[in-house]
Amino acid sequence: GESVGLHLPTLSVQEGDNSIINCAYSNSASDYFIWYKQESGKGPQFIIDIRSNMDKRQGQRVTVLLNKTVKHLSLQIAATQPGDSAVYFCAETRNYGQNFVFGPGTRLSVLP
Amino acid sequence: DTAVSQTPKYLVTQMGNDKSIKCEQNLGHDTMYWYKQDSKKFLKIMFSYNNKELIINETVPNRFSPKSPDKAHLNLHINSLELGDSAVYFCASSSQGIEKLFFGSGTQLSVL
Repeated sequence: GESVGLHLPTLSVQEGDNSIINCAYSNSASDYFIWYKQESGKGPQFIIDIRSNMDKRQGQRVTVLLNKTVKHLSLQIAATQPGDSAVYFCAETRNYGQNFVFGPGTRLSVLP
Repeated sequence: DTAVSQTPKYLVTQMGNDKSIKCEQNLGHDTMYWYKQDSKKFLKIMFSYNNKELIINETVPNRFSPKSPDKAHLNLHINSLELGDSAVYFCASSSQGIEKLFFGSGTQLSVL
């Protein structure tokens, strides 16, 4: 079946640097995407979302970019902080539906 | 106050036993879910209920039976537990028109 995947299972960045987490999706019919952050011992938490009629969306210190041509999604975190250390998941769905397919996750480690 | 709460946080049990995990949401959402997260952090949907009716039932052994007494609660009962059932189970909820998922903090199930 179609799935959402990530290029990098782990990512280590220096505190203060920018982080980029990537996600490849294979279903061209996907029209809604979400990035989640999961800290140790907790459930995933919503970070930012984007619909397929957009190619960029910005939040506080985070930006999501969507490239539908190559079916690629990325999460950029500016000035990465120790509190950003977590596992990040992308998730996609079709028809703004509720059956989200999650990617395998990327662990972000922030080095002092 | 916790928006999506599930109990217990940890569940350790022997193979062959029957156990239940409870979930409650106080967000007024009309859809609730159960997700399973394996040891590699992969998140996969198991069930989805909308206003107490089952709308998504992925390929899950029939030993797993969800029950929704009302739209604020979705419990998961597991019969004849197996070693492979060991995982973290997350309850989540969402509301039509606001597609993002709100997750509980998870139940770590260990089958010995």
